Amino acid sequence: NAGVTQTPKFRILKIGQSMTLQCTQDMNHNYMYWYRQDPGMGLKLIYYSVGAGITDKGEVPNGYNVSRSTTEDFPLRLELAAPSQTSVYFCASSYTLGTISTQYFGPGTRLLVL
Amino acid sequence: KQEVTQIPAALSVPEGENLVLNCSFTDSAIYNLQWFRQDPGKGLTSLLLIQSSQREQTSGRLNASLDKSSGRSTLYIAASQPGDSATYLCAVANQAGTALIFGKGTTLSVSS
Repeated sequence: NAGVTQTPKFRILKIGQSMTLQCTQDMNHNYMYWYRQDPGMGLKLIYYSVGAGITDKGEVPNGYNVSRSTTEDFPLRLELAAPSQTSVYFCASSYTLGTISTQYFGPGTRLLVL
Repeated sequence: KQEVTQIPAALSVPEGENLVLNCSFTDSAIYNLQWFRQDPGKGLTSLLLIQSSQREQTSGRLNASLDKSSGRSTLYIAASQPGDSATYLCAVANQAGTALIFGKGTTLSVSS
């Protein structure tokens, strides 16, 4: 049982480039989330999804886009990378909407924008 | 706006000590509170989840308490071990259930 997997593990981008961070879960969870964690800080919610075809903004959505075409996958898209997007990105999933059941986290994607 | 604060930011203890990590939050209207563990370069692992109607939860050597009225939670670790060394994050769920708000964490180092 793989849980939540994320690719790539690490990526260096140049300013203005775009990329997609991949996230897949095999637990049949309806709810999925994207967080970013800056050095020495807690996690902040970027986007979340309550099911295929339904997404909503979190606390820090600017500069990002998401889609949810299947239950398993929740990719995060950066269109025009900026140095402020240098961070570690975590994907998570849960059986219910984040509050009643615990969230399961992937190992993270470390992104450096230069 | 909900803010979550964790004190201390870092803690070093010898093996075998009992210790307490503190978490405070500004808005008592929460759905639940969760404690997570984060190892370097890894994702988060859920340790304990306390519903807003509960006062405490226990798992092995870990005990978490919740006092909503005062906006505080503590994570008690008994008989600490070097394997407990990690960053511990506290997170509260807003009443709408749409977000977890995290503190910055307490980095624990247990020496043998």
